[in-house]
Amino acid sequence: GNSVTQMEGPVTLSEEAFLTINCTYTATGYPSLFWYVQYPGEGLQLLLKATKADDKGSNKGFEATYRKETTSFHLEKGSVQVSDSAVYFCALIVISGNTGKLIFGQGTTLQVKP
Amino acid sequence: GAVVSQHPSRVICKSGTSVKIECRSLDFQATTMFWYRQFPKQSLMLMATSNEGSKATYEQGVEKDKFLINHASLTLSTLTVTSAHPEDSSFYICSARDRFGQYYEQYFGPGTRLTVT
Repeated sequence: GNSVTQMEGPVTLSEEAFLTINCTYTATGYPSLFWYVQYPGEGLQLLLKATKADDKGSNKGFEATYRKETTSFHLEKGSVQVSDSAVYFCALIVISGNTGKLIFGQGTTLQVKP
Repeated sequence: GAVVSQHPSRVICKSGTSVKIECRSLDFQATTMFWYRQFPKQSLMLMATSNEGSKATYEQGVEKDKFLINHASLTLSTLTVTSAHPEDSSFYICSARDRFGQYYEQYFGPGTRLTVT
């Protein structure tokens, strides 16, 4: 079946530290991969995506590379800010016919301290 | 950007009563909406896929008679939790897919916290 596994949190960092949140997946077929972010009191927002192997998604200083050989899609940011504090979800879609369902990892809480 | 609202944001009800949660796409049309349930410190679990004008498709293990979904228009889907019990207490999140957008573009509502006493 299809599944996503993320590193457990919370992850606590000081401002300007380097961030890595690990994400690995199992999937039948060829998934597209996503990172979503959920700020306190808000809905999930798409942060970045990659639709095929070796693609790099990037947005707001965050990056993730679709690694088919290691079935991974790790999220990185070179210098985090307090405003990056949120819950981050790794997810995948495998398209079947004209439908596709998002499958989420368990979420990783990031706390950035000034 | 595309906005999805949910109402109410929080609701407390007594065991045995029913609760309706609304999900609206405010500035786009959504032929497909999704309902998720999120437990504390756990992932989102897809409950059902709602297609405008047709019956919802429920995930395995989700009781369709307990969680009634109606998607009567291109901007509104409702989830009714019938005969609610304390174990139904959870955070319910909806998302909507823009009918003219990419297959992966789902816009999420802020969620509804249901507490059954």
